[in-house]
Amino acid sequence: AQSVTQLGSHVSVSEGALVLLRCNYSSSVPPYLFWYVQYPNQGLQLLLKYTTGATLVKGINGFEAEFKKSETSFHLTKPSAHMSDAAEYFCAVSDKGRRALTFGSGTRLQVQP
Amino acid sequence: DGGITQSPKYLFRKEGQNVTLSCEQNLNHDAMYWYRQDPGQGLRLIYYSQIVNDFQKGDIAEGYSVSREKKESFPLTVTSAQKNPTAFYLCASSGSGQSTDTQYFGPGTRLTVL
Repeated sequence: AQSVTQLGSHVSVSEGALVLLRCNYSSSVPPYLFWYVQYPNQGLQLLLKYTTGATLVKGINGFEAEFKKSETSFHLTKPSAHMSDAAEYFCAVSDKGRRALTFGSGTRLQVQP
Repeated sequence: DGGITQSPKYLFRKEGQNVTLSCEQNLNHDAMYWYRQDPGQGLRLIYYSQIVNDFQKGDIAEGYSVSREKKESFPLTVTSAQKNPTAFYLCASSGSGQSTDTQYFGPGTRLTVL
């Protein structure tokens, strides 16, 4: 069975600082990995996804993530945080055996001025 | 504009009542999904459908029912058998239902049981 663990339910950074949101997964087959962002009382928006090919994936709003198979990780980073990045971030996994997404519990990012 | 609409945005229900949440998409997507979101628990899959007139139970289907009579519509009924229905409900769709597809989400319906 698939599972996703997001370390840290709340992360606080200063504006301009590095953003690092951690995601580890378990899957018995090669995974497909996604990061979504959710603003308050809204739906989710895709930031980026990894399916095959290059392990460093670039997404929208300056975010990127690296798939590391040996570490079963897919951490999300952004070099310089902006106030508008404050939101909740979800890591999710799917694979050939399960077409729906399995989500982590989310990380709420706070950006301090 | 193409997208997913959910209605109503807020819904209040008395205990013992069934309620139906609407989800419509004009993206011409084959697959549609319902998720439930509770604080600190992420999203959990209730039901999904990869084609008209067919749907599968997700991880937490008990107390819920769905139908898929039209490609663009996937309504969710929360029945009185659902013990704790207060939550934020999100509908999503994807092109062909493949595991690599991006899922596009609606704005959600917040259900509160009084």
